[in-house]
Amino acid sequence: AQKITQTQPGMFVQEKEAVTLDCTYDTSDPSYGLFWYKQPSSGEMIFLIYQGSYDQQNATEGRYSLNFQKARKSANLVISASQLGDSAMYFCAMRGRENTDKLIFGTGTRLQVFP
Amino acid sequence: DADVTQTPRNRITKTGKRIMLECSQTKGHDRMYWYRQDPGLGLRLIYYSFDVKDINKGEISDGYSVSRQAQAKFSLSLESAIPNQTALYFCATSDASQGSNQPQHFGDGTRLSIL
Repeated sequence: AQKITQTQPGMFVQEKEAVTLDCTYDTSDPSYGLFWYKQPSSGEMIFLIYQGSYDQQNATEGRYSLNFQKARKSANLVISASQLGDSAMYFCAMRGRENTDKLIFGTGTRLQVFP
Repeated sequence: DADVTQTPRNRITKTGKRIMLECSQTKGHDRMYWYRQDPGLGLRLIYYSFDVKDINKGEISDGYSVSRQAQAKFSLSLESAIPNQTALYFCATSDASQGSNQPQHFGDGTRLSIL
């Protein structure tokens, strides 16, 4: 069965610094996708970035990048130049053929950015 | 206007009542999902539908039912609400025709409290 693990319940980072949010996954499916979502205090789920299992390069979207280490089954989110508005819950999720189009979510990491 | 609209946004009701949560989308996506979010547990899949005549159980379907009235509408019902169904509920959509790297798009959530 597929599983996503986020071991950091909470993280703190100072404004303008970079932060890494950890995500490890488990799957026997050779083809899968990894997603990161942001959930601010207002509650909505905002898609940030995607990494496919066959992608040769790490995904990047603006200040977000994904440190994808396939052999270690990790897909850590790196946020560069943190902003106060980055304070939110962050969820890692996986989709694979084993689950067709369904997403399996981790338990999330609460990031707090301080001035 | 939001692409994925959930109504109501908030609901407080009593144990034993029947409740319907509605989701409509203007994205033209074929796939729709209902998730539940509890503190510390991330999002868990309740039901999903890949087309109007397709309904599938997710991880935690007991106590819930769904109806896909049209491609754009997917409703979730609690036939007899109980307090442990108090949670934040999300509807999501995705477009299978665009490939597996497409994210699911979430509504803003319905906060449901059952007393």
